Amino acid sequence: LAKTTQPISMDSYEGQEVNITCSHNNIATNDYITWYQQFPSQGPRFIIQGYKTKVTNEVASLFIPADRKSSTLSLPRVSLSDTAVYYCLVNDQAAGNKLTFGGGTRVLVKP
Amino acid sequence: NAGVTQTPKFRILKIGQSMTLQCTQDMNHNYMYWYRQDPGMGLKLIYYSVGAGITDKGEVPNGYNVSRSTTEDFPLRLELAAPSQTSVYFCASSKGWGTGNTEAFFGQGTRLTVV
Repeated sequence: LAKTTQPISMDSYEGQEVNITCSHNNIATNDYITWYQQFPSQGPRFIIQGYKTKVTNEVASLFIPADRKSSTLSLPRVSLSDTAVYYCLVNDQAAGNKLTFGGGTRVLVKP
Repeated sequence: NAGVTQTPKFRILKIGQSMTLQCTQDMNHNYMYWYRQDPGMGLKLIYYSVGAGITDKGEVPNGYNVSRSTTEDFPLRLELAAPSQTSVYFCASSKGWGTGNTEAFFGQGTRLTVV
């Protein structure tokens, strides 16, 4: 089971770029990396998913180095509404795509 | 599409009572999950299902039971409720087939208090 490790919390200011790095040293060959965002009192929401190199969508970018042992979620020009908890997951295909969440990174965006 | 619907949204149970948390999805997803989230903590997987008739334990299954008789429904049963089961419960579903493509959709949660 690929366990993930990410910082507990990060502070930022409006307009800055926020980068959250997740470590997943035991990731298997066929596993993908997925990031979710959770606001208080809501269920998590899918942000982005990737396998290698770089993936970008309208919300974020995901950078994955060649060894795939880590990944970095990049949130460009954050606003106060980006204050949330961000979770990095590895979908463990060997375990039937069981989605296991870690503790997440609590991002606080300040004015 | 309603997505993933959970009922009830709130519930107060007395110690020793039982209840069923309902979860329905209309996306024809094969995979469904139940999580609990304690205040300030991450989500813990209780049970999951890869298709109708198939269920498996997650990280914290004790005190809970599930069934999956249809693709759409995945109810979670609490027998003999205990204060330690006070939490917010989330149901989720995903396609779950093949490589990648594991975007999970979550319900709005059920806030359960056991007193």
